[in-house]
Amino acid sequence: QKEVEQNSGPLSVPEGAIASLNCTYSDRGSQSFFWYRQYSGKSPELIMFIYSNGDKEDGRFTAQLNKASQYVSLLIRDSQPSDSATYLCAVVSSNTGGFKTIFGAGTRLFVKA
Amino acid sequence: GAVVSQHPSWVICKSGTSVKIECRSLDFQATTMFWYRQFPKQSLMLMATSNEGSKATYEQGVEKDKFLINHASLTLSTLTVTSAHPEDSSFYICRPRGQSSYNEQFFGPGTRLTVL
Repeated sequence: QKEVEQNSGPLSVPEGAIASLNCTYSDRGSQSFFWYRQYSGKSPELIMFIYSNGDKEDGRFTAQLNKASQYVSLLIRDSQPSDSATYLCAVVSSNTGGFKTIFGAGTRLFVKA
Repeated sequence: GAVVSQHPSWVICKSGTSVKIECRSLDFQATTMFWYRQFPKQSLMLMATSNEGSKATYEQGVEKDKFLINHASLTLSTLTVTSAHPEDSSFYICRPRGQSSYNEQFFGPGTRLTVL
């Protein structure tokens, strides 16, 4: 079982719809959760982070964390063609001597105009 | 967010030459540096982790003699691809980490390496 799992997609949604991206993780002690967007040919760009159970909203983006079920999701409201990218989930947990970040393989999102 | 730079942003070289890629954390001290490689349409692959002043730790399958990492200061780490071959053509990205788990979340802009 991978430590951080994401559906590779592609996830295709029409413009204006809500895109829902999901991520599950295996380390129950994980503490911090990050979502990145990566456009083709570019490096990942941090778009949201969440530490506590529940929802966190930032503009059109909402991150949802459920530690009991070990999943974190990203909702994109009013999806735009410019949102078409690969979305990476990253999970931070403590280990000996510090902490480590594990990345999922990413979900490709395609927003159709 | 944290500011991270990489130089060069792209490089084309002949097979057999060596290429050095620099990564700088501009507004915090990077005690640890992560180097990733990404082939087209594939996910990020962690190559190695380096701590300032120490030898790097390489992931399984990554040749330490081919990918030389130097992390001599808290703001600069370098990755040298020695005797590059076409199969080394890839997108190389650094990610520095400081004392806070927050500032480790920013990647460098990446370096596109093409080996002819």
